[in-house]
Amino acid sequence: QQQVKQSPQSLIVQKGGISIINCAYENTAFDYFPWYQQFPGKGPALLIAIRPDVSEKKEGRFTISFNKSAKQFSLHIMDSQPGDSATYFCAATFGGYSTLTFGKGTMLLVSP
Amino acid sequence: KAGVTQTPRYLIKTRGQQVTLSCSPISGHRSVSWYQQTPGQGLQFLFEYFSETQRNKGNFPGRFSGRQFSNSRSEMNVSTLELGDSALYLCASSSGGQETQYFGPGTRLLVL
Repeated sequence: QQQVKQSPQSLIVQKGGISIINCAYENTAFDYFPWYQQFPGKGPALLIAIRPDVSEKKEGRFTISFNKSAKQFSLHIMDSQPGDSATYFCAATFGGYSTLTFGKGTMLLVSP
Repeated sequence: KAGVTQTPRYLIKTRGQQVTLSCSPISGHRSVSWYQQTPGQGLQFLFEYFSETQRNKGNFPGRFSGRQFSNSRSEMNVSTLELGDSALYLCASSSGGQETQYFGPGTRLLVL
């Protein structure tokens, strides 16, 4: 049972455009939703995270939108840059525990 | 602060052998989690150790085991290797709660 579903699997965006990655979850006990960015040959690194009591969180060019009733959340990358080309994972956890349930990832390519 | 280190970075084994992977967490972190990353299944949680005790375990067979030492360093062991065990094994450390997990670069295991 895939508890966090992520789409699209891959995404090509032109430089300066907006990249949007969507995730949906099933377990209503989830209460912390981080996004991780992974470059080839590296481990994932935390990008931005949100809790369900907030509908939106923005950090620089990265914004998470959260819809608790729909059990969906999304990552928006504004003014996408070639350096943003990486694989992005949404994740979820609950109960104060650090165990992450990941989506399957989105490979983003930002063309120059 | 030094990041999470994993050794070895690459490993080639044959079916039936066993393997031990090592992870040194960020200084002061007491929680170490292990994840398996494959193209088909994505990132899947293996287990978490906190203060030398296994606190959580994912849905993997008993061939996968781990331990944590008093200095928080952790080892993961896979016995009777199968071809499907070929993957990138990632270690992540944190203080133990729901906050940021810091991932190492991973150990890439190839089983022939």
